[in-house]
Formats: sequence, structure tokens, C-alpha cells
Amino acid sequence: EVQLVETGGGLVQPGRSLKLSCVASGFTFSSYWMYWIRQAPGKGLEWVSSINTDGGSTYYPDSVKGRFTISRDNAENTVYLQMNSLRSEDTATYYCAKDEHWGQGVMVTVSS
Amino acid sequence: DVVMTQTPPSLSVAIGQSVSISCKSSQSLVASDKNTYLNWLLQSPGRSPKRLIYQVSKLDSGVPDRFSGSGSEKDFTLKISRVEAEDLGVYYCLQGTHLPYTFGAGTKLELK
Repeated sequence: EVQLVETGGGLVQPGRSLKLSCVASGFTFSSYWMYWIRQAPGKGLEWVSSINTDGGSTYYPDSVKGRFTISRDNAENTVYLQMNSLRSEDTATYYCAKDEHWGQGVMVTVSS
Repeated sequence: DVVMTQTPPSLSVAIGQSVSISCKSSQSLVASDKNTYLNWLLQSPGRSPKRLIYQVSKLDSGVPDRFSGSGSEKDFTLKISRVEAEDLGVYYCLQGTHLPYTFGAGTKLELK
């Protein structure tokens, strides 16, 4: 059974950093692209980042480019999202996803 | 960025009724590899999103065949035949052809 478990969320002040982790199981992690998607409270979905199988290629929308960094450790079956210079508009539930499977999400609140 | 226009924003249905949701993109979603990366997802109340359909019409594993996807280029439709209670929630279309990947605003399917 595919499982994606996100951790690392919480309350953080504007301008500070936070690193999310997503541990995967139930599939050959190193064979799949991985994604982060977020959902602000009561709002729709926004794609945040993608990473290819070996971590050599990463992609971001302009809203997070230069502030967020996606990475992966195929030995640990884990994908990360390093979030720097956080803003109030980054407040959202962050989901890790692989094709049809999504994690349960982790809440990030950016507030002073 | 590709704008995904999803209609209607909400639908009120009776169990057993059939419904259709439209998703129109501002650009053709045919990729250079000739595939069309248009997905449909369902977010049930209080749950993470789940992909139902990928590449316009391919059902993910375990998705009932009451769901079907169709369309091409810039015009796509999700049809649910004989709606069941477990189908209620918010449906999103997602294009994965052009960066940044973009979602429709969602269609909320509710019980009449």
C-alpha cells in the first residue's frame, strides 16, 4: 500500500524558515517524480514544486521560486521542501504527492 | 500561465443522477510527446485530494467506471454516471502539460 507521510509543519514567523519532509513507502521511490501542492485555508489547490527521479531537475512556480527548494533522498525514501523567507500568503496545508497518491497534508501557518 | 476555467462552481444532485463538469484551458494541453496531461481529482470533505483520471480519460486504479473523462486540446469534461454518496466533494481539473502546472478553481458536488 502506498503511503506518503508529511511532517515538519507548524507556526512560524514571517521571514523565517521551515523544512517539510515526506516519507514514502509501498512503491519504488527512486522511480517516481514527486510533487508538493498546497491549499490555503478554504481555497483551491496550488502546485508548489516538482522533482525528477534523481533530484537533478526541479521546478517551481514564480510564487515560491527563489524561496523554496525541493530535494530528495532516495536512500531514505524521503522528499523535502525547504521553505525560506516565509510570508503570510504561504499559510496553507502542504501535500506531498506521487501520481494518484497524496499524503494527509501538513499545516504551515506563517504569522507573527 | 495556463488558466483552467472550471464550470459550474457547484452542482446539487440527487443520488443516482448523472452529472458533467467542464474544464477549459487557455492553451492547448497537447504536449510535445503528443500526450494530453489533463487530470481530474476529487477532494472529499475533510480529506486529501485523490486523483481519479489522468491523461484525459484513463481511470486510476480502484476508480469506479461510473467516472469517465473526455475531451481534447482545450476542452475537457468529467462525467459521473449514477452519482453515489461517496462521490460528494470538490472536483478539480489539473493540467500537467505546461509549467507551472495549474488547477481549476473546483466544482463542489452536493446532495440535493
